[in-house]
Amino acid sequence: GAVVSQHPSRVICKSGTSVKIECRSLDFQATTMFWYRQFPKQSLMLMATSNEGSKATYEQGVEKDKFLINHASLTLSTLTVTSAHPEDSSFYICSARDTAISYEQYFGPGTRLTVT
Amino acid sequence: AQSVTQLDSQVPVFEEAPVELRCNYSSSVSVYLFWYVQYPNQGLQLLLKYLSGSTLVKGINGFEAEFNKSQTSFHLRKPSVHISDTAEYFCAVSSVGSARQLTFGSGTQLTVLP
Repeated sequence: GAVVSQHPSRVICKSGTSVKIECRSLDFQATTMFWYRQFPKQSLMLMATSNEGSKATYEQGVEKDKFLINHASLTLSTLTVTSAHPEDSSFYICSARDTAISYEQYFGPGTRLTVT
Repeated sequence: AQSVTQLDSQVPVFEEAPVELRCNYSSSVSVYLFWYVQYPNQGLQLLLKYLSGSTLVKGINGFEAEFNKSQTSFHLRKPSVHISDTAEYFCAVSSVGSARQLTFGSGTQLTVLP
């Protein structure tokens, strides 16, 4: 089956630093990837839609300068949290849509970010 | 615009008992429907999906769901649960169309008791 990986799985950083999270589709091409944020005991909130070779589309209320998204290839999208603050601590999950099977998304295992 | 409602935030049930997790949706266009399961500190795993055709869909781990268009529902069922089914379950919809972003419900925590 389709596999999506995320790296790192956990990261702890100091306030003011930047953190990059990678999302990779391992055995399929993904024209589109999605980035979600999940707070404890809550549902997934879509942050942005990442399209290969073009600028990401951000959801209302998500700061594009704070959450930088790059989708440079059909198998890799990155989310960079710039100048992280404790309120950015969360579980970040990516998903990738198989270009050949466009109705289904495959989810990564998530990245737990803790900003101290 | 779409929305998904999962009325039950928590569902406790004894092992080997049947369970139903409710999901209702609202959309002005045709939709695809999904159920995902999330174990602690993990991503989402697809349980089953409805795209078209038969309204009763079967998924992994013995789960099934029935699409009811008139009631705009897609309830998830399992006739006999196991301790290992304890997890968070999310219902989601996406429109049959352009971006096909997923809209998630708020989730239901299923706890299977021994």
